[in-house]
Amino acid sequence: DTAVSQTPKYLVTQMGNDKSIKCEQNLGHDTMYWYKQDSKKFLKIMFSYNNKELIINETVPNRFSPKSPDKAHLNLHINSLELGDSAVYFCASSLAGTGNSPLHFGNGTRLTVT
Amino acid sequence: GQSLEQPSEVTAVEGAIVQINCTYQTSGFYGLSWYQQHDGGAPTFLSYNGLDGLEETGRFSSFLSRSDSYGYLLLQELQMKDSASYFCAVRNTGGFKTIFGAGTRLFVKA
Repeated sequence: DTAVSQTPKYLVTQMGNDKSIKCEQNLGHDTMYWYKQDSKKFLKIMFSYNNKELIINETVPNRFSPKSPDKAHLNLHINSLELGDSAVYFCASSLAGTGNSPLHFGNGTRLTVT
Repeated sequence: GQSLEQPSEVTAVEGAIVQINCTYQTSGFYGLSWYQQHDGGAPTFLSYNGLDGLEETGRFSSFLSRSDSYGYLLLQELQMKDSASYFCAVRNTGGFKTIFGAGTRLFVKA
C-alpha cells in the first residue's frame, strides 16, 4: 500500500544515454512534483503538475521532459544524460491549495551518470 | 528572490532540547513547513504553521512569526533516532510550488 512509488531505485548509466523514471501515487492527490537533490542535499523543485497540466517548470533544461498521463502518474524522461545530472530524483504529491497539504515523497531514484 | 536560511549543522546530546531556526524571503506565502530526512531516505513531513504561534506534535513543536519572516522547529527529549537532516519549506505560487531551505544536519550524541 505504498503511497508514492517511483522506479527504478537506482539508475547507473553513461553520458549521452536516455533514461526514464516512473512515479505513481495512490493518495488521490491532484498535484505531483519532481525534485532534484544534489550531493549537498539541496532539494530543488523541477516541475509541478496539477491534474495532468504543467504548472511549474523551474528553468529545467529541455533534455528533461515530464509526462503526466493521468493525475496519479508523473514520469520523467531525460535525454542525453550529462555528468551533472547525477543526483537523487524525488517524486512527490499533494493536494492543491494554499493550506496545509504536505508533500508526500517517493523513496527517490539515485541516478549516477558515468 | 526566494530564499530560506537555516543553520547547516547542529549537535546536541540525548535528552536535550534543540531549536532549528529558519528565516525566509519569498513572494507569496502559504505557510511554513518542516520535513525530516534520514540518510538514504525520503523527506517526511513533520509540521506546518499557517498562522503565527506554536504548533505542538509530541516531542516536536514549530513556531511561526509572519511579521519577522521567521520560524523554528523545537525538538525535545532528543533521541539518537532524531539524527537526520531537517528542512524548512515555504509554499507559494498559488500553492503549487514548495521551496526548501538547504537543510540542517542534526547530530545527536550519547
